[in-house]
Amino acid sequence: GQQLNQSPQSMFIQEGEDVSMNCTSSSIFNTWLWYKQEPGEGPVLLIALYKAGELTSNGRLTAQFGITRKDSFLNISASIPSDVGIYFCAGDLRNTGKLIFGQGTTLQVKP
Amino acid sequence: DGGITQSPKYLFRKEGQNVTLSCEQNLNHDAMYWYRQDPGQGLRLIYYSQIVNDFQKGDIAEGYSVSREKKESFPLTVTSAQKNPTAFYLCASSTGRGRIQETQYFGPGTRLLVL
Repeated sequence: GQQLNQSPQSMFIQEGEDVSMNCTSSSIFNTWLWYKQEPGEGPVLLIALYKAGELTSNGRLTAQFGITRKDSFLNISASIPSDVGIYFCAGDLRNTGKLIFGQGTTLQVKP
Repeated sequence: DGGITQSPKYLFRKEGQNVTLSCEQNLNHDAMYWYRQDPGQGLRLIYYSQIVNDFQKGDIAEGYSVSREKKESFPLTVTSAQKNPTAFYLCASSTGRGRIQETQYFGPGTRLLVL
């Protein structure tokens, strides 16, 4: 089936550092979503992107919908310990409501 | 409070037993989804429903069944045919209307363990 390649798979950083992760695909997506999941909980929506080139911020988080519509990135500035979790990208190919998920980026922040 | 609830938080299944996971939403969303998550992996779609009394198989529907008799509810049954049911199960919903139909909101999940 369709795949989203999310990288890096894991990151271990120092508090205060900036973080960047991205998702790429060989297919064109109409929507990109970024979620954060904490252990034993459901994913929580962070940012939704609906238009190629769109750059959207949510506090210290910034995400962009790639111009080619085949990629998206998420940046976290000035990381803090509560940023710890698994970050997932998800995309919708044809506005079907069926999302395809990346494998996740596990973020650990050292105080 | 509007949201999605799943119950129970933990569920134990004996060999050969069917178990049903509950998912309820009061967001007035038309579409609902069930995903399975295994350790270190992304989410895989089991079933989805875009309207009451209608549902479609996702990528890994074998061994599972669903019903959608009410807009608010989308229960998932893990049947004895599912040979490896141990996983974290997530329910989600979306408006199902317009460009934001793809934006799905998740419940807290149910962890299913086999005894």
